[in-house]
Amino acid sequence: SQELEQSPQSLIVQEGKNLTINCTSSKTLYGLYWYKQKYGEGLIFLMMLQKGGEEKSHEKITAKLDEKKQQSSLHITASQPSHAGIYLCGAGNTGNQFYFGTGTSLTVIP
Amino acid sequence: NAGVTQTPKFRVLKTGQSMTLLCAQDMNHEYMYWYRQDPGMGLRLIHYSVGEGTTAKGEVPDGYNVSRLKKQNFLLGLESAAPSQTSVYFCASSRDSPSYNEQFFGPGTRLTVL
Repeated sequence: SQELEQSPQSLIVQEGKNLTINCTSSKTLYGLYWYKQKYGEGLIFLMMLQKGGEEKSHEKITAKLDEKKQQSSLHITASQPSHAGIYLCGAGNTGNQFYFGTGTSLTVIP
Repeated sequence: NAGVTQTPKFRVLKTGQSMTLLCAQDMNHEYMYWYRQDPGMGLRLIHYSVGEGTTAKGEVPDGYNVSRLKKQNFLLGLESAAPSQTSVYFCASSRDSPSYNEQFFGPGTRLTVL
């Protein structure tokens, strides 16, 4: 199975602060996805990274995949209360299965 | 477009009862999935389907059955519910393989088994 470890498990930050969430795999990733889940709701797609060294940004969120394609980070600049939620990384395998990390719960204090 | 819908949104069952969760998508996606989400464990894949008439086991399939008789629908069944199946269930769909295609998620079904 594809194991994805996320850290930290939870994060409480003051509004305006920067933060980083990490996702580490024991195997080479074919495609690494970041999703966000608002409490009590379904998941929303944020970004997908495929190539080693790839970096993507959307508004104040930047995701990177390392050269070895085994580690990804999600960085939020100048956090806002709207960024609060659970962030999950996920990846498929050579078959059609998909695995998620355990998630990082983010609280942003106004 | 409604995207991915799930019914019901909430359900309480007694141990041993059976029920079916319905997932529907209107995006003409080939792949559909059922996940469960438990505290501290992220989402785990129960079963998935790569097309109409096909089903396959995921990471945690025991105690569940699925059917995909129509391309747009994916049903998850619990034949004899157990308290360990108390969870939030999410359905998702994607155009093609999840390794290279974004999944679209439903709003979830919160199931409690007493």
